[in-house]
Formats: sequence, C-alpha cells, structure tokens
Amino acid sequence: DAGVTQSPTHLIKTRGQQVTLRCSPKSGHDTVSWYQQALGQGPQFIFQYYEEEERQRGNFPDRFSGHQFPNYSSELNVNALLLGDSALYLCASSLYAGEQFFGPGTRLTVL
Amino acid sequence: GQSLEQPSEVTAVEGAIVQINCTYQTSGFYGLSWYQQHDGGAPTFLSYNALDGLEETGRFSSFLSRSDSYGYLLLQELQMKDSASYFCAVRDHTGEAAGNKLTFGGGTRVLVKP
Repeated sequence: DAGVTQSPTHLIKTRGQQVTLRCSPKSGHDTVSWYQQALGQGPQFIFQYYEEEERQRGNFPDRFSGHQFPNYSSELNVNALLLGDSALYLCASSLYAGEQFFGPGTRLTVL
Repeated sequence: GQSLEQPSEVTAVEGAIVQINCTYQTSGFYGLSWYQQHDGGAPTFLSYNALDGLEETGRFSSFLSRSDSYGYLLLQELQMKDSASYFCAVRDHTGEAAGNKLTFGGGTRVLVKP
C-alpha cells in the first residue's frame, strides 16, 4: 500500500515565478492538507481539501491556492514567488480525526 | 489565536526516560497529537489524545489534561534512533467546518547520547 506521495522532490525557482506541487494521498483517504515548514520550525497549516472543496484555510495569502481532483489527489499552486516562500511543503492525507499521514515533502528554493 | 509551547531541546542518554511537555491555547479544541520527524524526513504520527488520560503505545506514552490545556509525550528506554524532533499538534477548527486541521508547536529536538 503506497503512502502519501509528492512531486517533485526538489524545486528551484526565481522570485516572481509560479510553482505547482502535487500530492497523491494514501489509498482510501479523502482529505488532503498542505503545510509549509521553514527550517527549524513546525509545519504551518496552509489549507485542507475535502470532496474537491477547500474546507479550511490558514493564514496564507491568496497567492497560495489549491485544487483537489475526483481521485482525491491535490495540487498546491503558489504565484508571484517570494524569497520567504522557500521551505519544505508537506502534504498530509487523512480519513478520520487525529491521525494524518505525511508525504516526504517538496523542498522549494526561491532565488 | 492558537499557540503551543514546548521545550526547544532535550538531551538524554540511551535507556533514559524523557518527558516532553506541551501547553496550548486554542479555541475549538478536539485533541492533541504527537509527531516525530527525523532530519530530512517527514513527520510521522505517534499518538492522538482526545480525552483526558494516558495512552500507551510501546515505549511511547502520551497524556492529556483538557482542563489544564496540557499534555506530554513520554519516551522510555531511549534508543539512538529516537534522536529526532518531536512536535505536539492541536487538532482544532475555525468557523463552522470541523476537520483535521493541525496547529503545530515549534518542536522539541531530542538528542540521545550513548
């Protein structure tokens, strides 16, 4: 049983560019959440998708947007990249409360 | 808003016991989770407490007191492989949507020495 997968593993972009990160949830999971983790800090909640709709959102600007597909996979889009967007982006899937399964993350570097 | 406090670093020797405390402030509290993250790796789930009391899973135990907005993770019989960062995370919700949103603490770096 494959766990949560994310692509790409690493990404380098320049300021002002746009990026799309992808996530496939664990088999049977219908809820996908995205987190941003800066070095040495805890993950920060970006948003959560359920039934193809954004269910909750953290304190992130509108430059961060997402999508969930009918097969429950998800994308995170970030527009107008800033240097401060450099971080590890984690996708987590869940089926019920309390336990989330995290993917390996995408390391984004903005130059 | 939400906030969680946990110690930044703990050092112990193999075989010892370590307790990582976590205090939180949040509205719409559902439960407290603990995650382990090795350097370069993804967070992995350790435990979840929705009710007061102690949950034991092998060498790791987790405790919650909702009235005190406090919980802890107990690591017993420490092994070198337990060197990692440990995060407490509150499952909470904002607005009307109940869900699995997690608000994480800053993490406690545990260093296990021989």
